[in-house]
Amino acid sequence: GAVVSQHPSWVICKSGTSVKIECRSLDFQATTMFWYRQFPKQSLMLMATSNEGSKATYEQGVEKDKFLINHASLTLSTLTVTSAHPEDSSFYICSASAGGGAFFGQGTRLTVV
Amino acid sequence: RKEVEQDPGPFNVPEGATVAFNCTYSNSASQSFFWYRQDCRKEPKLLMSVYSSGNEDGRFTAQLNRASQYISLLIRDSKLSDSATYLCVVNLHNNDMRFGAGTRLTVKP
Repeated sequence: GAVVSQHPSWVICKSGTSVKIECRSLDFQATTMFWYRQFPKQSLMLMATSNEGSKATYEQGVEKDKFLINHASLTLSTLTVTSAHPEDSSFYICSASAGGGAFFGQGTRLTVV
Repeated sequence: RKEVEQDPGPFNVPEGATVAFNCTYSNSASQSFFWYRQDCRKEPKLLMSVYSSGNEDGRFTAQLNRASQYISLLIRDSKLSDSATYLCVVNLHNNDMRFGAGTRLTVKP
């Protein structure tokens, strides 16, 4: 199947700092990528849809100024958590679709201390 | 009403048991359907697609009923390694995937 690579797999940062997460489609081009967040024992929640060459579409309740998304090429989308706080600690996962299915990055476990 | 609804479980079954999960979706225009498996602290991985005619892959059988907007997954002869969370996933349109909350399965010796 298609391969989506996400980096870093885990990160610990201080409160108030910014963290950038990268999502790459390795063997296909993805005009659209999706960013999800998952809190412990909860389901994946869509945060935003990342569109190559245009602005991302954010889900209701997700602050676009806090979660900056850039999709500058057909193989790379980035999510930057700005001024992170402990409540932003979560598992962040990206996905891209190919061949009718969704393929996920390995996820990034963010811990803000 | 949630876009995709699943019974969260947990389902605790002995090895060798047959277990079935159900899922309903609200958008009748949904285009395609999948079951994903998610192990603890890992990303979801595609288990199988779901077709209107029903499809089988080894011990796993998936069914789709468009009229009732209902999807099912049947696991026969459960193995310990089947323990995971099973996610019902619906492709609304343009690969916009929506996930159910997941059903947690634990298979015990």
